[in-house]
Amino acid sequence: GQQLNQSPQSMFIQEGEDVSMNCTSSSIFNTWLWYKQDPGEGPVLLIALYKAGELTSNGRLTAQFGITRKDSFLNISASIPSDVGIYFCAGRGGSNYKLTFGKGTLLTVNP
Amino acid sequence: DAGITQSPRHKVTETGTPVTLRCHQTENHRYMYWYRQDPGHGLRLIHYSYGVKDTDKGEVSDGYSVSRSKTEDFLLTLESATSSQTSVYFCAIGLAGGDEQYFGPGTRLTVT
Repeated sequence: GQQLNQSPQSMFIQEGEDVSMNCTSSSIFNTWLWYKQDPGEGPVLLIALYKAGELTSNGRLTAQFGITRKDSFLNISASIPSDVGIYFCAGRGGSNYKLTFGKGTLLTVNP
Repeated sequence: DAGITQSPRHKVTETGTPVTLRCHQTENHRYMYWYRQDPGHGLRLIHYSYGVKDTDKGEVSDGYSVSRSKTEDFLLTLESATSSQTSVYFCAIGLAGGDEQYFGPGTRLTVT
């Protein structure tokens, strides 16, 4: 089946720094999404992307749908302690209704 | 808040017993999903539904069955629980043709 490679696996940064993470696939995806999960809770949808090259922001978060349709990027600017959590990318390839998830990036922010 | 509840939120059961987890939604969404989340594996799709009585298998469906007899409820059953099914189970509803999925709070299942 389709697989997503998400990197880095973990990041430890200082408050105020910018963060970048990415997700790559060996096959083309038609939709890319980014989620955040806090401990003990379900993932929360942050950003959804539908077109190659699309750049979408949600507050301090910005995500891009790669032009090749095989990758996506998430940037967080001026990180704050509440940004701590696991960030997942997800994508839909040719299959209807189903998403494939990356394994997540664990973000730790040092105040 | 996507109006999704899961029950129970925590359960401990013994190997070999049947277990049913319930997902309930309040907004009549067509698509519903069951995932399991395990360290090192991320979220893996067990089964999904694209309408009442319309279900299909995901990537890790062995040992699990589902039923959807009405729009608002999607049930996941472990016919005979095994220790390998100890996990956190998430239900999700899908919007935009299933592209945008919104998750419930999860059920932590421990099989002893």
